[in-house]
This record gives sequence, structure tokens and C-alpha cells, in this order.
Amino acid sequence: DVKVTQSSRYLVKRTGEKVFLECVQDMDHENMFWYRQDPGLGLRLIYFSYDVKMKEKGDIPEGYSVSREKKERFSLILESASTNQTSMYLCASDVGSDPLFFGPGTRLTVT
Amino acid sequence: GEDVEQSLFLSVREGDSSVINCTYTDSSSTYLYWYKQEPGAGLQLLTYIFSNMDMKQDQRLTVLLNKKDKHLSLRIADTQTGDSAIYFCAELGGGSQGNLIFGKGTKLSVKP
Repeated sequence: DVKVTQSSRYLVKRTGEKVFLECVQDMDHENMFWYRQDPGLGLRLIYFSYDVKMKEKGDIPEGYSVSREKKERFSLILESASTNQTSMYLCASDVGSDPLFFGPGTRLTVT
Repeated sequence: GEDVEQSLFLSVREGDSSVINCTYTDSSSTYLYWYKQEPGAGLQLLTYIFSNMDMKQDQRLTVLLNKKDKHLSLRIADTQTGDSAIYFCAELGGGSQGNLIFGKGTKLSVKP
């Protein structure tokens, strides 16, 4: 069964902290994505990666960075968390034009 | 640029049919998708349709594609309270590699 897992379902961090959100997929997918989801704004693409050590900016990369050291793992990093980064973060993966498979999401609150 | 539009809310009674509509702008889209998101969860792929098809049926779900008008719809027959969720339409954009363009989602409320 296809699986995308995210390290935490809920996370509370303080302003200025460095935050790591981890995503792992077990489907040997080349492509991995990080989205954030906010009410009224839908899903917005932050970064994606189509291969190990490769990364591409999405629509809203400011304030974020990513790391893909292994094919199955894609990490989203908030170097210095801010309150406007409070959101639901969704990781997804796919290969070619196959459908995106999503993880369960991490609800991050920055206080 | 590419855009996907859908209405934000839909309310139906249990047992009725629900129709969720979506319009998109990228005429080169190859695949169009419907995802379902239940409260507090990630997105789950419901169904998808290839752009050379007009219709796809899967149990209670019917997807209709009007490529000329760039209009996609999802019909849920015999809607149940468990169908209450947010439904996202998405197209495989011709821009960034593998990047899906999502609508903002339609919140379906099913009243008993």
C-alpha cells in the first residue's frame, strides 16, 4: 500500500526557532513536494524536488529551505520560524504523470 | 498563468446527488484530478481523468470533462454524511515538472 508519512501531526514552536518537517515515502518516487494549506488560499507549492539533491522553488519559497539527501526523504526547514508560517504543511510524492500521493499533514503553530 | 477555479461551498441533503464544478485555464492539461480532504487529514486521491476522455465513472462517482469549455465536474450519487469533506480539483500543469495546480477546494456539507 502506498505510503507518505510525515514526522509530526501537530507541532508548536516559538518565533525564531529552527523547525524541521520530515517527509518519507516508500514508493520509490522521484518527485516530492511540500505545500502549505491556509483557509481561503488553498494549497500553495513551497518547494519540490525531482531527484536526490535537486530542488526547485515553488510559488512561495521565501522563509523556507529544503533538503533531499535520500530519495525517500524530503525535509522542509524553517530557518527562523515566524507567526505567519503557522499553517498546515502537506508533503506529497509522485512519479511522472502519476497522481500525487499526500501525507497526513503537519499542523504547525508558531507562537 | 494557469488557474483552477471552484466554488467554495456546497450543501446537500443526505441521499441527494452532489455536483462539484471546476474550471481551469491550461488547455494543454493532460490529467485532471479530484482529491478529497477530510477534517484534519491530508488529501486523498478520489479519481482522475485523462484529457482525451469525456467521462469516467467509478461506483458513486462520475467525472465529466468538457475540454472545449475547460470545465470539470464531480458528481457524487446518493451523497452520505461521510462524504462531507473538502474536494479539490487539480490539473497537471504544463509548466513546472510534475506540478499540480490546485483549486481552493469546495467544502461539501451533507445534512441528514
